[in-house]
Amino acid sequence: ILNVEQSPQSLHVQEGDSTNFTCSFPSSNFYALHWYRWETAKSPEALFVMTLNGDEKKKGRISATLNTKEGYSYLYIKGSQPEDSATYLCASDGGGGADGLTFGKGTHLIIQP
Amino acid sequence: DGGITQSPKYLFRKEGQNVTLSCEQNLNHDAMYWYRQDPGQGLRLIYYSQIVNDFQKGDIAEGYSVSREKKESFPLTVTSAQKNPTAFYLCASSIGPTSYGYTFGSGTRLTVV
Repeated sequence: ILNVEQSPQSLHVQEGDSTNFTCSFPSSNFYALHWYRWETAKSPEALFVMTLNGDEKKKGRISATLNTKEGYSYLYIKGSQPEDSATYLCASDGGGGADGLTFGKGTHLIIQP
Repeated sequence: DGGITQSPKYLFRKEGQNVTLSCEQNLNHDAMYWYRQDPGQGLRLIYYSQIVNDFQKGDIAEGYSVSREKKESFPLTVTSAQKNPTAFYLCASSIGPTSYGYTFGSGTRLTVV
């Protein structure tokens, strides 16, 4: 079983500030790294799927980077807004897509007005 | 709109009873997955299916069973052999290999009374 770690576990950020958090994963047998946003009472929503070392993806104010050699990914949120409040999950696919993802415990982000 | 429907949203079960959680998708996705969430833990894979009439055990399959008779449907049965069934259950689907990302249902919260 892969071990995916996310830090911090929770984070309070002032509205308008930028923030980032980390996902670390085993760098061996790496296939893809996923980020999801999970708002309370909703379904998790896919943000990014990243496969290449050095990959950088962006969606509005949210971006992510990937380092497969050292086994980490950063998620950045620029100019945080209250609607960014959610749990952010990362998940590693070490099986070539054949047998599901291994999820971290998530980073719970609260944006304070 | 295409998506995944899980039902019911809340389910109460007496000890010793089997119970079936429904998961239906109209996305024409080949792969479907069942995950379980417990407080303070990441999502853990119970069962997955890459194609109709085929499914594989995940990391915590003991006490659960599934079927995949139709592409659209992947029901999960929680049997009386599952020692600690109270949890939040999420169903997901993907086009195929997980490099495409998952679409999630809204979950079923099962409580054993």
